[in-house]
Order: sequence, then C-alpha cells, then structure tokens
Amino acid sequence: KAGVTQTPRYLIKTRGQQVTLSCSPISGHRSVSWYQQTPGQGLQFLFEYFSETQRNKGNFPGRFSGRQFSNSRSEMNVSTLELGDSALYLCASQREEGTYEQYFGPGTRLTVT
Amino acid sequence: LAKTTQPISMDSYEGQEVNITCSHNNIATNDYITWYQQFPSQGPRFIIQGYKTKVTNEVASLFIPADRKSSTLSLPRVSLSDTAVYYCLGRRYNQGGKLIFGQGTELSVKP
Repeated sequence: KAGVTQTPRYLIKTRGQQVTLSCSPISGHRSVSWYQQTPGQGLQFLFEYFSETQRNKGNFPGRFSGRQFSNSRSEMNVSTLELGDSALYLCASQREEGTYEQYFGPGTRLTVT
Repeated sequence: LAKTTQPISMDSYEGQEVNITCSHNNIATNDYITWYQQFPSQGPRFIIQGYKTKVTNEVASLFIPADRKSSTLSLPRVSLSDTAVYYCLGRRYNQGGKLIFGQGTELSVKP
C-alpha cells in the first residue's frame, strides 16, 4: 500500500507570495491532519479534516487555510508569505477519527526569502 | 501538553531500557495518548498509543497512570538505530480539542 505523498517536496518562495501544498493520504484513510515543524517551535498543529470537514484548527493566522476533497486528498494554502513561514509542512493521514495512529508523509520544505 | 513537558534530551547505551515521560495536565479525558519517533529528514512514525494503564506492542510499552496527567514510553533494550527524537501527542481538553505535540526528546544511544 502506498504511503502518504506530499507535493512538492521542496519550495522556495518570496515574501508576499502565496503557496499551495498538496497531500494524498493512504488509500482508505479519511482523515488528514497538517503540521508545521520548525527548530524553534517544534511540531505545531495546523488543521484536521475528516470526510471533507475541518474538525479542528490550530493557533495560526487566517493566512493559513486548508481543505479536503471528496477523494480525501487535501491541500493547504498560505497567503502573503512571511519569512517566519519557512518550515517543514507535514501531512498525516489516519483511517478514522478518534485514534492518532497517523501516518506521516515526508513533508514539504518551504523556504521563504 | 505544553512544549516543556518532555526532557529535551536523553543518553543511553545499547541494550539498556529507556523510559521517556511526558507530562500533560490538560489532556482530553476520553482521548488517546500517542507516541511517535522521528528520524532526521523524515516524517514522524507511529510507535504506540494508549488510553489508560499499560499497553505493549512489539517495539515499546506505554504506561499511563490513572490521573492521565503523564505518560511514559518504555523502549526495552535500545540499539543504535533507536537514536531519534520521540514525541508524545494528545488532544488538549481546554483548547477546543487541538492536537498538541510535546516538544520532543532527543534520544542518543551509544555503543
């Protein structure tokens, strides 16, 4: 069974631009979560989706948004990029709600210059 | 689960048992506590999860006391390949159910 895939793997953007990151969960998994990882802040929760509905959202500004499609694939968007948005963005999928046996993708490394 | 509730780092030697504790004062009472392992340049990998008391699988044990204010990951007989960062994860009860990772414990296993 294929694992979680994230595209692109690496991205360089300029301040003020926007970016869209994509995540394809493991087949059959209906829940997707997104996390931001930085050396200073560690792993921080961004969003949690289940069957196209956002179940929860972390403490990030409105510039960060996401969505999940009917095929469980998910995207997250960051508008008006800031230098501090440089991070590894991780997507994780799980089969159902209520369990945190999440399977993580390799992440997208975003660099904002 | 606050960011300063896991030890920052731990050292061990091959063959020893390692116990890593995570303190979480405001974990949701009806939710799982989960532990992950992360190697450099990779996403975290699920190790074990539990709700209360003790859970054991082929790689680790998880101990959760009755008050659920902490959890302890136990790795029996570690090897060099267990050198990684270990995170606990739970759902914060008083923050609308947000998923919260601990700050991570960097385990270094020496020969």
